[in-house]
Order: sequence, then C-alpha cells, then structure tokens
Amino acid sequence: DTEVTQTPKHLVMGMTNKKSLKCEQHMGHRAMYWYKQKAKKPPELMFVYSYEKLSINESVPSRFSPECPNSSLLNLHLHALQPEDSALYLCASSQRAGSNYGYTFGSGTRLTVV
Amino acid sequence: AQRVTQPEKLLSVFKGAPVELKCNYSYSGSPELFWYVQYSRQRLQLLLRHISRESIKGFTADLNKGETSFHLKKPFAQEEDSAMYYCAAYILTGGGNKLTFGTGTQLKVEL
Repeated sequence: DTEVTQTPKHLVMGMTNKKSLKCEQHMGHRAMYWYKQKAKKPPELMFVYSYEKLSINESVPSRFSPECPNSSLLNLHLHALQPEDSALYLCASSQRAGSNYGYTFGSGTRLTVV
Repeated sequence: AQRVTQPEKLLSVFKGAPVELKCNYSYSGSPELFWYVQYSRQRLQLLLRHISRESIKGFTADLNKGETSFHLKKPFAQEEDSAMYYCAAYILTGGGNKLTFGTGTQLKVEL
C-alpha cells in the first residue's frame, strides 16, 4: 500500500457541528501532516506529528484539534468552524520528519462550512 | 523573510516547445528543495527533489546557489504535462522541520 487515504472526500457542516477528518497510511511512515489549501492557493501547513507526537502547530485556532492515535492514523477534529474555514484539507506522510524525504499526499477532504 | 517564490502564475507553451518553470528561494544556508505537481483532479505528488538529481517524466531541476534558484525544465513539452506545479523548500525552524510551498505555476501545453 503506497497511498494516504483520507475520509470523507466531501463534508458539509454547520457552524455548530462537531465533525472529524480521518487520514490513514500503511507505509510505515512516522511523520504525518495536515495542510489546508484554499482554491488556487498553495497548501499551508497546519500541524506536524512525528512518532505520534505533535511537533509543530502553526498557530492554528483551537477549533481545529489534531489527534494521532497510532502511527498509521491521523485525525482532525472540527468544532465551531467558520465559513472561512471552508477549504481542501490535505493529509500527508513521510518516512521521518526530516529533510530528504518527499511527502505522500492524500486526495484531501473538501470541507464546506455553512 | 524565508520564502519560496514562483513569479509566474500561468505559463502557456506549445507542444514540443521547451519549458522552464521558475523558482527562487530566500533562505540562509542550503535548503532542501522539491518540485510537486498536481494534475487536474488528482492528488499532489512529488515530482523530483534536488538532492537525488534525478529526471522524472523528462523534467530536471538544478540548484543554483549563486542565483538561489531551482528552476524546473523540460526540453519538449507534452500535452500531459499540463498541471499545477509547486516548488517547495524544506526548512528547519525553531519549531521543527517544515515543507513550505511556493504560490504555484499553472502550466498549459497547447497543441
């Protein structure tokens, strides 16, 4: 398995809802990432997990809560989002959180907040 | 500020013509540099990285430290090369390692 799988592919949620995005990889990668991508813009880093520990939080609002329950899974819990949070959320993984390792990206979850 | 710059939002070339997608970086030291490609309705994928000095799908990129550039080149463009191309730099910050993307260049290969 050489893929990063993200579910759901599409999500529409209200501003008072609580939802979760899921990301899974079985490549033995020990670093996992969440990126946010707005239309026609580059991906922007949100969080980095290395060996299941949060190593980087790019000053993301607390309404986004990441979780890494094991080395294969990465979740992003969403609560009280705003319409401006609508975007494509990308998960990625790499062998280690160090240089020289290219990232493998998932196809993303397209989130719409209404 | 440390950043990756791609000056062209859109580059249009004819099939068979040479392609050069520009990327400049402004970092102290020697960053790790990559090119990623996103074909229409497909996931973002690694095209090549400077440290491996490889050629993928006919594309090459050479790191020029004097000009702080990492331009992506291909001698003869193909229709299937039409996609969004992102230059990215892997930098070490106080908080850890980060892969930071340029603003991207949309390549359109016309027949």
